[in-house]
Amino acid sequence: GAVVSQHPSWVICKSGTSVKIECRSLDFQATTMFWYRQFPKQSLMLMATSNEGSKATYEQGVEKDKFLINHASLTLSTLTVTSAHPEDSSFYICSGVQEDNSPLHFGNGTRLTVT
Amino acid sequence: AQSVTQLGSHVSVSEGALVLLRCNYSSSVPPYLFWYVQYPNQGLQLLLKYTSAATLVKGINGFEAEFKKSETSFHLTKPSAHMSDAAEYFCAVRHTGGFKTIFGAGTRLFVKA
Repeated sequence: GAVVSQHPSWVICKSGTSVKIECRSLDFQATTMFWYRQFPKQSLMLMATSNEGSKATYEQGVEKDKFLINHASLTLSTLTVTSAHPEDSSFYICSGVQEDNSPLHFGNGTRLTVT
Repeated sequence: AQSVTQLGSHVSVSEGALVLLRCNYSSSVPPYLFWYVQYPNQGLQLLLKYTSAATLVKGINGFEAEFKKSETSFHLTKPSAHMSDAAEYFCAVRHTGGFKTIFGAGTRLFVKA
């Protein structure tokens, strides 16, 4: 099956620093990648959609200058949380999709804690 | 606009009992429908998907779901619950021709011994 590798699985950083999260599709080319945020005991909130080689499309209310997304290739997308604050602490999950009727394939998520 | 409603944020069943997790969707065009399972501190794993083929879809771990257009439902069932089924389950909808996927609020399944 399709595998998405997300790294790191957890990270603790100090307020004001930046954190980069990587999402790689290991055995398929992800035409589109998505970044979600999940608060405790809640559903997934779509943050942005990225296509290889083009600018990401952000959902309403998501600050594009704070959450920088780069989709450098068909197998790699990165999310950088810039100038992190404690309220950015959350579980971030990436996913990739290959073609129209295929499901999303998820990474295992990254637990970000900002102190 | 698409939306997904999962009835019941928590469902508790006894081991060996029937599992029924409800999902209703709203979509102006024929949708693709998915069920995912999430274990603590992990990503989501696909259980099954409906993409306009057979209306009764069989997935992994003994789960299945039936697409009922007249009821706009896609309920998830399993004949006999196992302790390892305890997890969070998400129903999701996506319209054909696009990738944007909308998730329901999730249903936490508890399995009692």
